[in-house]
Amino acid sequence: DAKTTQPPSMDCAEGRAANLPCNHSTISGNEYVYWYRQIHSQGPQYIIHGLKNNETNEMASLIITEDRKSSTLILPHATLRDTAVYYCIVERSISSGSARQLTFGSGTQLTVLP
Amino acid sequence: NAGVTQTPKFQVLKTGQSMTLQCAQDMNHEYMSWYRQDPGMGLRLIHYSVGAGITDQGEVPNGYNVSRSTTEDFPLRLLSAAPSQTSVYFCASSYSWTDFSGNTIYFGEGSWLTVV
Repeated sequence: DAKTTQPPSMDCAEGRAANLPCNHSTISGNEYVYWYRQIHSQGPQYIIHGLKNNETNEMASLIITEDRKSSTLILPHATLRDTAVYYCIVERSISSGSARQLTFGSGTQLTVLP
Repeated sequence: NAGVTQTPKFQVLKTGQSMTLQCAQDMNHEYMSWYRQDPGMGLRLIHYSVGAGITDQGEVPNGYNVSRSTTEDFPLRLLSAAPSQTSVYFCASSYSWTDFSGNTIYFGEGSWLTVV
């Protein structure tokens, strides 16, 4: 699975949009981009995923560049409860027979400021 | 539907003791796995299972043992606890292990283990 690069930390004002970037320049055609977050050492929580097209759900939007080498997670109206570590993960869509191993890097610590 | 349930939430062990971390899911998921997370680091895969009776090693398996006798349960055993095993342990599951497309992984709330 391709590696990802994220900034170590970001701040965002409460009520404003939080835009979290992720670089995955070595992504392959059958690899998905997933975003998870971890709030204060709780279990990681799924946010959103995508392959090529932009995606939106009740939590966030995911913008994937046309060349798929980078993506941005958007929290449209950040609240204090969105303060967490956000992980961008690339994973192949089909097993090659080995473990389904999500590779969690260090992620981005998002701090939402009042 | 309780999702992924881990017990205990907190445990203190003495060096050399053994114990089992329990993990259960009620979503009929094929795939289950154990991760550990050390301070300031991401999650690392310890062991995983793709179905009852089938387990395999992940990135950091040494010192741990697993079995999967039922679809629902995937316990993690520490054979002889060492201070290096002080960590937070997360159990995770997903419906399929062969088709990952849009196949969300669900995590438990974690088990905090301290080995003194």
